This record gives sequence, structure tokens and C-alpha cells, in this order.
Amino acid sequence: QQPVQSPQAVILREGEDAVINCSSSKALYSVHWYRQKHGEAPVFLMILLKGGEQKGHEKISASFNEKKQQSSLYLTASQLSYSGTYFCGTEPLTSGGSNYKLTFGKGTLLTVNP
Amino acid sequence: DGGITQSPKYLFRKEGQNVTLSCEQNLNHDAMYWYRQDPGQGLRLIYYSQIVNDFQKGDIAEGYSVSREKKESFPLTVTSAQKNPTAFYLCASSRRGPALRGEQFFGPGTRLTVL
Repeated sequence: QQPVQSPQAVILREGEDAVINCSSSKALYSVHWYRQKHGEAPVFLMILLKGGEQKGHEKISASFNEKKQQSSLYLTASQLSYSGTYFCGTEPLTSGGSNYKLTFGKGTLLTVNP
Repeated sequence: DGGITQSPKYLFRKEGQNVTLSCEQNLNHDAMYWYRQDPGQGLRLIYYSQIVNDFQKGDIAEGYSVSREKKESFPLTVTSAQKNPTAFYLCASSRRGPALRGEQFFGPGTRLTVL
């Protein structure tokens, strides 16, 4: 079941913050976040496994709520290099994490302008 | 340097022809994946393989076939049965095992255009 990402697109000025959400109707085993720049391959940002978990990667961090149905990606003090499409990939809790298969959302296009 | 290679980068084919996309990795990863990317659709899983000589259908397997005869290689054949084959195809690999869960490494992709 494909997770729902919101917003579909966001435009920022350099230095502004953004939040991207990834929601599922069912509990998840894990959430993975990727960023893809135009014409390039997606690049891994982080993975969240535990309910209530928060993780950081430079000025990009993410959380996984206690019910394990929603994850949010936080981009603070955005830089031009943050531009790209952000995807979340999810594993259902029912998989037990055993089949390593991700279902990706449709993506959020982030544009950072000077 | 370790990584994933896909070839060719651009591929043109006539309608009705089968075409095979190459994917090779030297990361010693057990699991490999094929995704299709269309504008506004995200990444949709075509096939995946967790181990040599084994593979499973993903969400949009119709019109595609794969093989996994070697750990390093996971070629994808787009058959004439695929109704709308023009797309960007991405191959990925990852480590396998409960204690090793981690990222999927993606290749640079092949853009297939069927005329």
C-alpha cells in the first residue's frame, strides 16, 4: 500500500525550514527517506525503525510517531543543495521486516531559491 | 570503487521489440531491485531478488521478466506485452539480514523510449 506524502511540492527561500510528511493507513515496520536530484539516482538519507524515534543528518532530521504510521522529515535552514524530490519508502509491520521490499510514496518536490 | 552500473543510459526501441536492461553491482549485496519511475508516480517496484536464483514480483511486474543467475547481475527484460514501456528504470541493491537492514543503493538509471 503506497504511503501518502504531503505536500506534493514546496518552494523555499534559502534559510527557511520545511516539513515533509509520510503517512500510512497501517502500522509500519520501517520508514526510509531518500532524496533525488533531477536526472540523478535517489540517495539514501536515513531509516527509522522504532516508534518515537528521531534521527538527524546534518540539518536534516526525521521522526517516526509512536503508532508507527507517520514519519516526518525536517529540513532546517535550507540550502540550495537541498533542492530535489524527497521520497519515503515504507515496509508494512506485517512483513516483520523480512522481505526487504519498500513501497515508495509519490515524492515531494522541494525547491530552494536564493 | 564499489557501486551499481546500468547500461545503457538511453535506449530507444521500436514498439513490439523486447529489450533487456543491464544492472551490475560489485557491492556484494544479496538483494537487488528494479523500479520504474514515471513523472509524478514515485518509484514503483517491478521485481526484486533476495538471493541468487530467486526473485519475486513487485507491484507492476506485468510485461517484465528478470533473471538472477549471478549475485552481481540482475537484468530486466521489457517485453512487448508491456503496454506503456517508455519510462526511467532504476536498479538498486541492498544488504540482507535482520541485523543489517540499511539503505538501497541505486544505479544511475536507464531511460527507455519506445517509438
